[in-house]
Amino acid sequence: AQKITQTQPGMFVQEKEAVTLDCTYDTSDQSYGLFWYKQPSSGEMIFLIYQGSYDEQNATEGRYSLNFQKARKSANLVISASQLGDSAMYFCAMRDTHNTDKLIFGTGTRLQVFP
Amino acid sequence: GAGVSQSPRYKVAKRGQDVALRCDPISGHVSLFWYQQALGQGPEFLTYFQNEAQLDKSGLPSDRFFAERPEGSVSTLKIQRTQKEDSAVYLCASSLRGPTEAFFGQGTRLTVV
Repeated sequence: AQKITQTQPGMFVQEKEAVTLDCTYDTSDQSYGLFWYKQPSSGEMIFLIYQGSYDEQNATEGRYSLNFQKARKSANLVISASQLGDSAMYFCAMRDTHNTDKLIFGTGTRLQVFP
Repeated sequence: GAGVSQSPRYKVAKRGQDVALRCDPISGHVSLFWYQQALGQGPEFLTYFQNEAQLDKSGLPSDRFFAERPEGSVSTLKIQRTQKEDSAVYLCASSLRGPTEAFFGQGTRLTVV
């Protein structure tokens, strides 16, 4: 079965510093997609970044980059130059290739950015 | 609308009551998803619609849960005879195609007492 593991319940980072949020996944499929979402206290899930299993380069979106290590089955999110507004829950998710419409989420990491 | 809208934002139900949660997707989005998020957990898939057709309902936890999207736009998630374990945030998402570009609403927080 496909599974997402996020081992960091909470992380702290100082403003303007970089932070890495860990994500490992388990799948026997060769074709899959990996996502990161941000969930602020308002509750909605905000899409941040996507990495396809066949993408040769790591995905980047502004201050977000995904450190994709396929052999280790890890897809860590790196946030550069942290801002106070980055404080939120962050979820790693995988697209279920047996059911391509469904996302499987990890348990999340709460990031707190302090001045 | 500008985004996915869910109502109500908060709902308190007595155990055994029926509830109905509404989702207004982004106009023109053919795909609509419902997820359940328990406290301290990630969202869990419930069901998926493409237009008015419910293509996947494998995540619905019991036959007390029912979802519909009769005209391919607004969707309603109904929970009959609510139980305490139904307490969670119910998230709705819509997209033009698949979950890659899905936009989520702010969710409905259901508390069963």
